[in-house]
Amino acid sequence: GENVEQHPSTLSVQEGDSAVIKCTYSDSASNYFPWYKQELGKRPQLIIDIRSNVGEKKDQRIAVTLNKTAKHFSLHITETQPEDSAVYFCAARTHFGNEKLTFGTGTRLTIIP
Amino acid sequence: GAGVSQSPSNKVTEKGKDVELRCDPISGHTALYWYRQSLGQGLEFLIYFQGNSAPDKSGLPSDRFSAERTGGSVSTLTIQRTQQEDSAVYLCASSPQGSDRGLPRHFGDGTRLSIL
Repeated sequence: GENVEQHPSTLSVQEGDSAVIKCTYSDSASNYFPWYKQELGKRPQLIIDIRSNVGEKKDQRIAVTLNKTAKHFSLHITETQPEDSAVYFCAARTHFGNEKLTFGTGTRLTIIP
Repeated sequence: GAGVSQSPSNKVTEKGKDVELRCDPISGHTALYWYRQSLGQGLEFLIYFQGNSAPDKSGLPSDRFSAERTGGSVSTLTIQRTQQEDSAVYLCASSPQGSDRGLPRHFGDGTRLSIL
């Protein structure tokens, strides 16, 4: 089955700087890669996603890149703000009949004011 | 409108007892998922319901775990003869018809289960 690894497990950046979180996946058939943000004590929220036919997607200060050859994808947050502090999870979904996401173990991002 | 609702929000029970966790998905959502989140870990898939299709139970960790979805709406996750390793936050999510299959879009707040 699919295996998703996520790095780093914790990340601290100064407010205004950029943050990058990286994930690798094992199943070359995976075709969909969402990212979730989970603030302390709250539910996970889908923040951005990317499909395997796209190399990059951007939504305001958040962007995600995908390298299918290397089987890795990354979340980029620019101009970080205190409200970006949360745990971020990447996930991968295998194509054709596998109806579940495999999640990474999460990255705790702390924005230092 | 109302989001995904889960109850109870917290459950403490003794080892060996059975527990039932409830999920009310967003009205009209055909897909419903159960995930488990252990302390400091990612989300672990448990089971997926889509409409009237047979559920994908491939993530259930043992035969002590079962889930039902009645009338295509409310779902109940049952854990029999609970063990300490069952302690976790159990998250339910739902998605509307036409969403990418396997993609949980709207999560509930979860049920924090503690086995003494």
